[in-house]
Amino acid sequence: EAQVTQNPRYLITVTGKKLTVTCSQNMNHEYMSWYRQDPGLGLRQIYYSMNVEVTDKGDVPEGYKVSRKEKRNFPLILESPSPNQTSLYFCASSLFGVGTDTQYFGPGTRLTVL
Amino acid sequence: AQKVTQAQTEISVVEKEDVTLDCVYETRDTTYYLFWYKQPPSGELVFLIRRNSFDEQNEISGRYSWNFQKSTSSFNFTITASQVVDSAVYFCALSEYAYTGANSKLTFGKGITLSVRP
Repeated sequence: EAQVTQNPRYLITVTGKKLTVTCSQNMNHEYMSWYRQDPGLGLRQIYYSMNVEVTDKGDVPEGYKVSRKEKRNFPLILESPSPNQTSLYFCASSLFGVGTDTQYFGPGTRLTVL
Repeated sequence: AQKVTQAQTEISVVEKEDVTLDCVYETRDTTYYLFWYKQPPSGELVFLIRRNSFDEQNEISGRYSWNFQKSTSSFNFTITASQVVDSAVYFCALSEYAYTGANSKLTFGKGITLSVRP
């Protein structure tokens, strides 16, 4: 089954404790992206990747890091989480990154930073 | 810069009513793509439709229909004979065509919460 998976689905942590949210897709997609969803703000892009070893900032990259060492995986790293990073996070992928392809989303990771 | 406005924030209807969700977009590009996603209470994002800027034909899929009008920069979504299972947050989104190597992020509206009462 073609899908985007994220782990964990739910996470409660404390300020400053490094964490990683994993994202994996099995569709051989080149483009992957991370979004965060906050009430009243919709979804905003954090980082994206056009292919292996190619990543760049989205609209709200502060406090996040990413890496793309393999085509299927695109982990989101929070080196020192803060309460304002409490949010619902979505990973997405599409075949290419030229705006023509539909982006498919993972199930979401609900993160709470205390 | 691209922008998507969903002016309605919450809509409540009674089952079997028709309901239209409005979406207005802004872009300077002539080639762009519009999307609707559904987010049910379980939280996942479900793709509903993609429309490119050169195709203004309306689309119907079962009880769902979409009206794309470039003259008013709108891409409205109508649910006919609504059902309780249609209760969800609905997002309209826009992406601009970009050449290889450029970002093709989705710009989302803030979403419309639809509640369908039995």
